[in-house]
Amino acid sequence: DIQMTQSPSTLSASVGDRVTITCRASQSISGWLAWYQQESGKAPKLLIYKASTLENGVPSRFSGSGSGTEFTLTISSLQPDDFATYYCQQYKTYWTFGQGTKVEI
Amino acid sequence: EVQLLESGGGLLQPGGSLRLSCAASGFTFSNYAMSWVRLAPGKGLEWVSSISGSGNSVYYADSVRGHFTISRDNSKTTLYLQMNSLRTEDTALYYCARSGWFPGWFDLWGQGTPVTVSS
Repeated sequence: DIQMTQSPSTLSASVGDRVTITCRASQSISGWLAWYQQESGKAPKLLIYKASTLENGVPSRFSGSGSGTEFTLTISSLQPDDFATYYCQQYKTYWTFGQGTKVEI
Repeated sequence: EVQLLESGGGLLQPGGSLRLSCAASGFTFSNYAMSWVRLAPGKGLEWVSSISGSGNSVYYADSVRGHFTISRDNSKTTLYLQMNSLRTEDTALYYCARSGWFPGWFDLWGQGTPVTVSS
């Protein structure tokens, strides 16, 4: 099974900050990675797929990069709506989520 | 409107059974693979099961294989999850999700239906 490990688990930041979340796969997944945002009490929302492709309607302050086993999600300037939990997901072999990164004030 | 709406969750005792439903609307259901994902209290998202658009291919997480069954009725544009021999660790909010590509990312999610297994 492919394991996904995110870091950090919790991140404290302020509005306007640049934020980076890292996701590591236990084996190469090429670029078969997605990122999701989940606000408290809401359904997850797709942000990025194929490691770096922005989903329609997602603000351009979100970006993704990486390939193989190491990936990053960057929020260039944190906005109030961005305080949420973020998950990476591999879909190379079945599906596996990272444990999540909570971005808090 | 393109949407997914889950139903069927509830409170039941260990060993019980439950069938979740996910009604799809606003898109050609049979063109999409569908999945179930759960969020247990205090934990992260966990993939549970997926099914191809035709229903011919199904996949399960090790944690549910043998006691959950995924199925779909394309004529009713509905996805199902039959949950048997429920355990306390199956307590979670269950989401259905759509994939335009199989295997692929999940581009549309429902709001979830809660399942609580407790004695």
